[in-house]
Amino acid sequence: AQTVTQSQPEMSVQEAETVTLSCTYDTSENNYYLFWYKQPPSRQMILVIRQEAYKQQNATENRFSVNFQKAAKSFSLKISDSQLGDTAMYFCAFMKLYPSNSGYALNFGKGTSLLVTP
Amino acid sequence: NAGVTQTPKFQVLKTGQSMTLQCAQDMNHNSMYWYRQDPGMGLRLIYYSASEGTTDKGEVPNGYNVSRLNKREFSLRLESAAPSQTSVYFCAIPGTRLNEQFFGPGTRLTVL
Repeated sequence: AQTVTQSQPEMSVQEAETVTLSCTYDTSENNYYLFWYKQPPSRQMILVIRQEAYKQQNATENRFSVNFQKAAKSFSLKISDSQLGDTAMYFCAFMKLYPSNSGYALNFGKGTSLLVTP
Repeated sequence: NAGVTQTPKFQVLKTGQSMTLQCAQDMNHNSMYWYRQDPGMGLRLIYYSASEGTTDKGEVPNGYNVSRLNKREFSLRLESAAPSQTSVYFCAIPGTRLNEQFFGPGTRLTVL
């Protein structure tokens, strides 16, 4: 079974600083996808960044980047130059293939609540 | 939220009442998904549908039924609501890139 663990329930960072959110996962698969989703108070789920396991290069999207360590099964999110609008819940997710082979779905961690302060 | 609409946005039920949550997409995707999000938790898969007319159980299917009568719509039914089903329910479809998912705005359901 695949599990996703986010060990930091809450974090705080000052505006313009850098913060790293941690995520570890457990899987026996070799090819898979990992994601970070952001959920602001509006509760909308917004995709921040994705990583394909077969790619060694870490994904980046503007101020967001990941540190993907496949052997350690670690997938952390780094937010640079933090902005007030980054305040949100952040969820790490693993793409899981269902036993019937009929489709994929996401397996989520419990989330990290990030507060960006002025 | 272009692409996925969910109705209603909010609902309060009494224990034992029934209701159907509606999800519709205008992206012509084969796959559709229902997740629930409880306080302090990530989303968990209830049911998914790989194509019109087919459905499969996810991680937490008990207490729910689903229906995928056409490609556009995927409904989630609670036959006899229980307080444990108080949650936010999200419908999802595939995103623009392989294996991504795009979520609807959610339905906040409270069962008293």
